[in-house]
Amino acid sequence: NAGVTQTPKFRVLKTGQSMTLLCAQDMNHEYMYWYRQDPGMGLRLIHYSVGEGTTAKGEVPDGYNVSRLKKQNFLLGLESAAPSQTSVYFCASGGGTGFSNQPQHFGDGTRLSIL
Amino acid sequence: RKEVEQDPGPFNVPEGATVAFNCTYSNSASQSFFWYRQDCRKEPKLLMSVYSSGNEDGRFTAQLNRASQYISLLIRDSKLSDSATYLCVVNMVGSGTYKYIFGTGTRLKVLA
Repeated sequence: NAGVTQTPKFRVLKTGQSMTLLCAQDMNHEYMYWYRQDPGMGLRLIHYSVGEGTTAKGEVPDGYNVSRLKKQNFLLGLESAAPSQTSVYFCASGGGTGFSNQPQHFGDGTRLSIL
Repeated sequence: RKEVEQDPGPFNVPEGATVAFNCTYSNSASQSFFWYRQDCRKEPKLLMSVYSSGNEDGRFTAQLNRASQYISLLIRDSKLSDSATYLCVVNMVGSGTYKYIFGTGTRLKVLA
């Protein structure tokens, strides 16, 4: 019962480097999300997708790009990493419109440090 | 005013105690509500959805008060294993947006 799987679990980058975080879900969910969580702050939505081939900006999208080429995968890219992007990144799937009362299910996170 | 507000705590309670947390939300159009539990440096895990009529799951009871725009979580007979941060989540209804707003969490410590 994999649920939502994130890779990698940990990564250290130098400023200016690029990388891609992968999120995979096996629950056939339409909606997928990328969040970041920083100390003392709630989860903040970076980007989300409401279906294969769609993406949309969340609350803090700057410096990130995403792609949803396959329904089960949602990729988060950092083109030129900055120290301000040091954070824990969580992917989630599930949920929907406010009327659906469907919760989100989270991966176990990627801890990213930018030096 | 924040969209979703929680008392950060920590709430320090002895084993066996009953403890309650509230979470207020600002958007009266909010439709879905959830409580998540998050252990240190781990992912949030769904504890329970919150239904209009209130709902219970074992030692946990969730309530929704639309008039005053808050939800609550009651934990009875607290266990050491209940120590965690409890996140309130509100799903906002908007024009084509699918917004789950997370509170910053309430930290609970259950003491032996």
